[in-house]
Amino acid sequence: DGGITQSPKYLFRKEGQNVTLSCEQNLNHDAMYWYRQDPGQGLRLIYYSQIVNDFQKGDIAEGYSVSREKKESFPLTVTSAQKNPTAFYLCASSWGVWEKLFFGSGTQLSVL
Amino acid sequence: GENVEQHPSTLSVQEGDSAVIKCTYSDSASNYFPWYKQELGKGPQLIIDIRSNVGEKKDQRIAVTLNKTAKHFSLHITETQPEDSAVYFCAATRSNNDMRFGAGTRLTVKP
Repeated sequence: DGGITQSPKYLFRKEGQNVTLSCEQNLNHDAMYWYRQDPGQGLRLIYYSQIVNDFQKGDIAEGYSVSREKKESFPLTVTSAQKNPTAFYLCASSWGVWEKLFFGSGTQLSVL
Repeated sequence: GENVEQHPSTLSVQEGDSAVIKCTYSDSASNYFPWYKQELGKGPQLIIDIRSNVGEKKDQRIAVTLNKTAKHFSLHITETQPEDSAVYFCAATRSNNDMRFGAGTRLTVKP
């Protein structure tokens, strides 16, 4: 089955720790995205990538980093510089950029 | 940049009734307007989308209408069922610009 897989489903971060969220897709999509979702709010863009080895910052990139070494993978690192990391993180992919985004099932990140 | 406002934030209807969710956008150059449905604990799923060269699009019980002059678009769900209960998000984008999402509408369909 083709799809987009995020792991883990739940993640806990200790203060001062970096954590990495995984996102893998086997849809052969060129573009991939990371969004942050807070309760009662819409989705806010963290980073996106149109092709391998290239990515662009979104509105709230501070405290986050990404890499795109493979077409299928777009991991997100939440660094210790992100002071309010508790949120639901969504990864998405699409054929063309900014059209018909397919979302993963999300990772809930909480701070211990 | 683009700004998308969505109303209402919560909507409760009786099973079988219709539900309407409205969004307005600020960038007149926006040309693609998708709608997503998000169930609890899951990622959003695209349910319908419309481009700026079309005024209305229908897919079974759901339809989307677009008024470019007024810069607003709406999602219509007819004959609602309990499984339609979810959070719905609208979004807007134009070529090579990031997609902006509304804040979401929590729809509850009472049996």
